[in-house]
Amino acid sequence: EPEVTQTPSHQVTQMGQEVILRCVPISNHLYFYWYRQILGQKVEFLVSFYNNEISEKSEIFDDQFSVERPDGSNFTLKIRSTKLEDSAMYFCASTKTNSLSEQYFGPGTRLTVT
Amino acid sequence: QKEVEQNSGPLSVPEGAIASLNCTYSDRGSQSFFWYRQYSGKSPELIMFIYSNGDKEDGRFTAQLNKASQYVSLLIRDSQPSDSATYLCAGGGSSNTGKLIFGQGTTLQVKP
Repeated sequence: EPEVTQTPSHQVTQMGQEVILRCVPISNHLYFYWYRQILGQKVEFLVSFYNNEISEKSEIFDDQFSVERPDGSNFTLKIRSTKLEDSAMYFCASTKTNSLSEQYFGPGTRLTVT
Repeated sequence: QKEVEQNSGPLSVPEGAIASLNCTYSDRGSQSFFWYRQYSGKSPELIMFIYSNGDKEDGRFTAQLNKASQYVSLLIRDSQPSDSATYLCAGGGSSNTGKLIFGQGTTLQVKP
């Protein structure tokens, strides 16, 4: 069964460094998302992406964040200058047909900022 | 602020019993509702979704939606120890971007 994949599974970085989290959505899916979950807290929406552009972003998704679909398969989240409070699990999700459809989540990348 | 609220639990049920998980939402524009299961340290796994008022059954799971009361529930019949996890309720569709708003999750413990 097709699934969303994410790399790396765990990323440790120093404060102020740039990180890129990578995702490969399910191949025939058209809508892509990033969420994050700080330990012990809710899953929070960061950004949605459709037709090669951001369709919605949350207040969390400030100028330090960017997303890109550099080719036909990858979907990336970049954090330019990481802060301690960026430490969280980052989940990529995708959905097939429209924004009401069920979203399937990848296994996540645990980001630790030291 | 659009919210999805769940009782964090833990909800403890004996093996074989029915577990009932509940969720309320504040955004009347929400059109789609999802139940995800999340094991500790893992990602959310979709188990049910519902768009229309009423009940939707899939195996041991039944989702119920009442839009007038802004209430969603998940029933798990014949609960198994492997069902022990955190169950996340999420609402979506009020914007046309697919953004999901999650509740904080209810921890379910099924005791053998």
